[in-house]
Parts: sequence; structure tokens; C-alpha cells
Amino acid sequence: GIQVEQSPPDLILQEGANSTLRCNFSDSVNNLQWFHQNPWGQLINLFYIPSGTKQNGRLSATTVATERYSLLYISSSQTTDSGVYFCAVAVPRGGTSYGKLTFGQGTILTVHP
Amino acid sequence: NAGVTQTPKFRILKIGQSMTLQCTQDMNHNYMYWYRQDPGMGLKLIYYSVGAGITDKGEVPNGYNVSRSTTEDFPLRLELAAPSQTSVYFCASSYTARGLGVRAFFGQGTRLTVV
Repeated sequence: GIQVEQSPPDLILQEGANSTLRCNFSDSVNNLQWFHQNPWGQLINLFYIPSGTKQNGRLSATTVATERYSLLYISSSQTTDSGVYFCAVAVPRGGTSYGKLTFGQGTILTVHP
Repeated sequence: NAGVTQTPKFRILKIGQSMTLQCTQDMNHNYMYWYRQDPGMGLKLIYYSVGAGITDKGEVPNGYNVSRSTTEDFPLRLELAAPSQTSVYFCASSYTARGLGVRAFFGQGTRLTVV
């Protein structure tokens, strides 16, 4: 099956710093999503971004599908950004993937005040 | 609009017991999924459904069963619980565009411990 690798595995920041999280995947995908799992375990969908660039406030994401990677940018980080960030992808088979996601191992982000 | 609702939030089972994890969504999504998350790991797909009456296995289906009698409900059944099924279980749904499952929305999770 597809391999999804996220880096770095851990990241510690001071409030106000910027960061870039990376997701590499080993096969062509038709679905790529970024999630934030907060300290209470809730998974929040940040972006659906199989290709191109999107921005939402202090967060933005870019996926270069032809080179099989995606980047998540967090600017002016806040303590509430702490948690685990997951990249998840779906591989098309027979023209569709039914949205079945394969997750990476995640990046644990800690933002100190 | 409640989104995806899972019950219970926590449960302790003894080895060999059975239980059903409930999942309901009110967004009229066709696609629904069950994932499990083991400590320090990403999520793995257990079962999925593309509509009422249609279900299929994911990556780790052994020891589980599902049914989908309505668009809204997608319960997960654990038969003969084993310690290896200790995990956090997430239900999710996604809408479709041109047959592709797109953005997924997750429930709050069920933390299950088998002792």
C-alpha cells in the first residue's frame, strides 16, 4: 500500500514563530487532507488539498501532486496550535478512492507561551 | 447541526465480551468510515460504506462487523473483545463530488479498553 511519511516527528516552538510541516507520499493520490488533533483527541479537518495552494487565516497548505508531497505552513503560532498534525491521502483504484484515507504518523507540535 | 456523533465516549470491556459502537451523522453524507487509532500512531481504516446497504473492509477489519441500514447510521460491532482491540475508535463521514469522497468529518472518538 501507499506510504505516507511526515516530518519532523516532533516540533517545539515559541509563540509567534512560524513552521513548516511536510508530508511525502509514495503513490499518486486523488485526495489529500490535513488534520489537527487537539489535546482532547478531537480531529479537525484543516484542508482538503489534493493539489494547489489554499489558505485559511494563519494556516496555508500546498500540494505538489506530481512530486508527491504536501506542506502545511503555520504562521505566528499560538499555544492553541499545539497538538498532532496528520496528513492523510487516498489512492484512486478504478477511477475512485471512496475517500478511504491512509494516515501518516503525525507531527507533534508544542507551542510554548 | 451536530455533525458526526459517536456513543459511548468511553468503555471498558472484559475479554470475550461484545459491544456496539454507535455512529450517526446528520449531514446526509453518503460515505462513512470507521478508523482506529493506537497510541502514538496514525489512524487505520477498519470498514467503510458508500451508501445504505453497502459496506466493505478496510485495512484492519478482523474482529469487527458493520451494517448500514440508513444513510445516517453506521454502527461498529466488536465480537469477542480482545486486548489487541484496545484503542480509540473514530467514525467519519464525507460528502462526494463526482463520485469522489472529499473532505472528511470526524466524530469525537470512543476510547475502548479491553481487560
